[in-house]
Amino acid sequence: GAGVSQSPRYKVAKRGQDVALRCDPISGHVSLFWYQQALGQGPEFLTYFQNEAQLDKSGLPSDRFFAERPEGSVSTLKIQRTQQEDSAVYLCASSSGRAGLSPLLAQYFGPGTRLTVL
Amino acid sequence: KQEVTQIPAALSVPEGENLVLNCSFTDSAIYNLQWFRQDPGKGLTSLLLIQSSQREQTSGRLNASLDKSSGRSTLYIAASQPGDSATYLCAVKVSGSARQLTFGSGTQLTVLP
Repeated sequence: GAGVSQSPRYKVAKRGQDVALRCDPISGHVSLFWYQQALGQGPEFLTYFQNEAQLDKSGLPSDRFFAERPEGSVSTLKIQRTQQEDSAVYLCASSSGRAGLSPLLAQYFGPGTRLTVL
Repeated sequence: KQEVTQIPAALSVPEGENLVLNCSFTDSAIYNLQWFRQDPGKGLTSLLLIQSSQREQTSGRLNASLDKSSGRSTLYIAASQPGDSATYLCAVKVSGSARQLTFGSGTQLTVLP
């Protein structure tokens, strides 16, 4: 079956532009996560959805970052007024269970979107 | 706050060698630990997941061990091959949040033919 997909794979934005990054999780997966990976670093947590509910957004670096998952499937991460420090790979992951009840489940990652802000 | 450290940051070995990658974490209250592989420009591929109650997991030439009390995990790769060249990341899922993973910075492995 299909894994987690993300689009676009690459995005170049001028400083100050708004961008939208899309994630299609594995069909039926309840939990969805966004991570940010700077060059040479491990991914860092941004936000978590259980179905359509955003239960944790503690990792979002500023109020310029916004994520949604309105129908509990596809998710969009939006970055407003992009800055050079936003340049990173943005990874999406999904998991089949509700995180609180099934913390033992693995997360499956998409290929990421590489964002470059000029 | 949970911190995950991976040593070494980079490793280069000749083909055929057995090797060990190290991961340490500061908070032993974890649900599980997962080892991932990341190829340049690609996403993360899960290699092994060890539950907190387990001591090790094996898959093919890979063996991962977990010592929760000391906050350590190792990934053992037997008979390394050039195709094993990649960055290896370990990540822990911490009790309490039960949601996100906390990652180390990775070990970049190069296996020379």
